[in-house]
Amino acid sequence: EDQVTQSPEALRLQEGESSSLNCSYTVSGLRGLFWYRQDPGKGPEFLFTLYSAGEEKEKERLKATLTKKESFLHITAPKPEDSATYLCAVPGGSNYKLTFGKGTLLTVNP
Amino acid sequence: DAGVIQSPRHEVTEMGQEVTLRCKPISGHDYLFWYRQTMMRGLELLIYFNNNVPIDDSGMPEDRFSAKMPNASFSTLKIQPSEPRDSAVYFCASRAATNEKLFFGSGTQLSVL
Repeated sequence: EDQVTQSPEALRLQEGESSSLNCSYTVSGLRGLFWYRQDPGKGPEFLFTLYSAGEEKEKERLKATLTKKESFLHITAPKPEDSATYLCAVPGGSNYKLTFGKGTLLTVNP
Repeated sequence: DAGVIQSPRHEVTEMGQEVTLRCKPISGHDYLFWYRQTMMRGLELLIYFNNNVPIDDSGMPEDRFSAKMPNASFSTLKIQPSEPRDSAVYFCASRAATNEKLFFGSGTQLSVL
């Protein structure tokens, strides 16, 4: 069974304190790894898709990287507005059926 | 575009009552998904449609759950009868066949007492 595990469950940072979130997966034949951001009371919002080991994508203070077994979401010099739950997901039985991890709740204190 | 629109935003009902959740996907999107989110289990796919046809309903927990998509701009998720363990946030999402981005609505917070 395809599994997605995220760590840590929660992370508290000071503004400007860089860190990384981890997403490890067990899936046969990876067809993409997705990162989403979810704010309280809202639905997840798409951030990145990574398709092959070694691939990297950036958006503002976020950079996502992918290896054969895991993905990292690096947050450089975070700001309070980066506080959110970050979810990763992989396609399951079909490319349209995403299996999500439980997320990492990131809190950035000013 | 207004995005994916869900209603109601909040629903409080008593055990045994019928609950209907509604979704309007983004115009032009071929795929529509219903997800459920709880603290214990995270975000789980319940069912998805392609061009209004149900493709995979293996995530629907029980026969008490049913979903329909009568046309390209409307879908419902019905729970009958509802139980307290159905309490969760239910999300509708849509995407185009040619774009991997999934767009979520704001969700319906369901509380079954």
